Amino acid sequence: GAGVSQSPSNKVTEKGKDVELRCDPISGHTALYWYRQSLGQGLEFLIYFQGNSAPDKSGLPSDRFSAERTGGSVSTLTIQRTQQEDSAVYLCASSSPTGTSGRKWGELFFGEGSRLTVL
Amino acid sequence: LAKTTQPISMDSYEGQEVNITCSHNNIATNDYITWYQQFPSQGPRFIIQGYKTKVTNEVASLFIPADRKSSTLSLPRVSLSDTAVYYCLVGVLSSGGYQKVTFGIGTKLQVIP
Repeated sequence: GAGVSQSPSNKVTEKGKDVELRCDPISGHTALYWYRQSLGQGLEFLIYFQGNSAPDKSGLPSDRFSAERTGGSVSTLTIQRTQQEDSAVYLCASSSPTGTSGRKWGELFFGEGSRLTVL
Repeated sequence: LAKTTQPISMDSYEGQEVNITCSHNNIATNDYITWYQQFPSQGPRFIIQGYKTKVTNEVASLFIPADRKSSTLSLPRVSLSDTAVYYCLVGVLSSGGYQKVTFGIGTKLQVIP
């Protein structure tokens, strides 16, 4: 697609349930990032993928959080046994290894985010 | 990774020039400086990037002194639509983009009519 696509755009779940958030990056972008943004806060880094591998998982807040990326494209962020403090907007971004179409090398392109509400 | 410090908030009247300064005392030789803009309910978007001296594009200018320990984003003649959060990032460009891109809390700019 033309941009980074995230789904669902909104998710309301009950405490203790598992959720999956999906990110479809821009075609050809090798790097993919997940961030979390709580209301009125800055962006909290969660995980970074280079291709299918995740050299930096340092931001995952607990072992309830996991992420994978397959085929160097789509990524899924899974939160198990959700807690109320997991409520936030989860943002995905991708970047290109080279500047294309006039874009800046290393520029992050963000999706619109998935808003998660845990009741 | 170089830590960045920027003001939490700023107010400006429409039509004025706004300068937002970011401190990054521990910037490394290979680090680039990038600014992003975020509107409510949207993901951040790239504004400008530089390594040293001055960079200008159609949206903003970025001033970087010789020691590179700070940078200033300059927005000319702001309008109400420039009300947003502005993030300063410092990091290394690699073949796939930054190895790790860490956003601070940003500067919330409020443009007043």
